[in-house]
Amino acid sequence: QSALTQPRSVSGSPGQSVTISCTGTSTDVGAYKYVTWYQQHPGKAPKLMIYDVDKRPSGVPDRFSGSKSGNTASLTISGLQGEDEADYYCCSHAGSLGYVFGTGTKVTVL
Amino acid sequence: QVQLVESGGGLVKPGESLRLSCAASGFTFRDYYMTWIRQAPGEGLEWVSFISTSGNDKIYADSVKGRFTISRDNDKKSLYLQMNSLTADDTAVYYCGRAIATGTWSSWGQGTLVTVSS
Repeated sequence: QSALTQPRSVSGSPGQSVTISCTGTSTDVGAYKYVTWYQQHPGKAPKLMIYDVDKRPSGVPDRFSGSKSGNTASLTISGLQGEDEADYYCCSHAGSLGYVFGTGTKVTVL
Repeated sequence: QVQLVESGGGLVKPGESLRLSCAASGFTFRDYYMTWIRQAPGEGLEWVSFISTSGNDKIYADSVKGRFTISRDNDKKSLYLQMNSLTADDTAVYYCGRAIATGTWSSWGQGTLVTVSS
């Protein structure tokens, strides 16, 4: 089980959009619709932001959106705000192997 | 409201064992799949294990297979992780999580720190 590949960091100014990629394989990201995204602030537990590739739980702002193409999933944050500065992790179902997280991306609001 | 409280972490020596617990409240525990994940200091999240509602289905990450055992007691509303043959690589904060759908963990505990060091 190799971790899904994410960029180490992305940054943007308030109001801008940033996109985080999450690249897996045909046995995880490419095989299932079960891709989730979590936000984690320092010292805190993860928070669910996106599930089933592109669904938003209640309470998550609609500036967060998800998509997938082939073996790569993406999280886009539109209208970046200061409180969005955090680490973001993708996670995919991997069949009988269970689940696999991404390497994590630090989002910096300039 | 949904609450998950992990306990049982601490400092152990390589080769020793530890049992983590996760006490659930605010929801019908027996109706939900549960999971354990961990995060080494300064590192990313790593999925560890998953258990079905009945406890009959369990999956483990390759890194812990054969050493860790996940279990649950639905009457006590508790999730467990028995960790044997611990190594320094197992040093991490361990979180328990509740699944609301396949691979969708909507609630987490505050985590419990496990440190493996001689």
